[in-house]
Amino acid sequence: NAGVTQTPKFQVLKTGQSMTLQCAQDMNHEYMSWYRQDPGMGLRLIHYSVGAGITDQGEVPNGYNVSRSTTEDFPLRLLSAAPSQTSVYFCASKAGDTGELFFGEGSRLTVL
Amino acid sequence: AQSVSQHNHHVILSEAASLELGCNYSYGGTVNLFWYVQYPGQHLQLLLKYFSGDPLVKGIKGFEAEFIKSKFSFNLRKPSVQWSDTAEYFCAVTPWAGNMLTFGGGTRLMVKP
Repeated sequence: NAGVTQTPKFQVLKTGQSMTLQCAQDMNHEYMSWYRQDPGMGLRLIHYSVGAGITDQGEVPNGYNVSRSTTEDFPLRLLSAAPSQTSVYFCASKAGDTGELFFGEGSRLTVL
Repeated sequence: AQSVSQHNHHVILSEAASLELGCNYSYGGTVNLFWYVQYPGQHLQLLLKYFSGDPLVKGIKGFEAEFIKSKFSFNLRKPSVQWSDTAEYFCAVTPWAGNMLTFGGGTRLMVKP
């Protein structure tokens, strides 16, 4: 029972580089989301999706792109990384109206 | 848009002490409320949630929380903490049937053995 799987777990980038954080879930959840976690600021929603082909912006979407071509996958793209994007990123999914988010293990990104 | 405030950023307790972590939210309508816990080096896990009904909800590991609608609060409590409760605790809110779960800044709890 894999749940929510994120890769990579650690990544170091140089300013201006691009990369994709992968997220996959095997629970057939319609809802998927990306959060970033920064000290003292809790988790802030970047983007979310309520189903394949549907995405929407969260609280801090600038500098990030997402797509949802399948129910299982929800990749997060950094087009041109900036030091301000140094953070821990969590992917999460939930089923219907239960409200409970299931989180991945997190991806720690450092932008130099 | 909703917001969540957790007023205690760091709490240090001795084992067997009682715990209460504050959480206040701002939103004009009906909400769903959650407490999540993040143990060191791990991802977030659900402690408990409130959707409707009895405002006193019980979660895992002896935690409970009380929803007081008039105070827009959802405080987390535990009568007697253990060293293994050392973690960061996050309160979160979403509008009823909404999709944007908003988290508070977190409270880092350290329990001394």
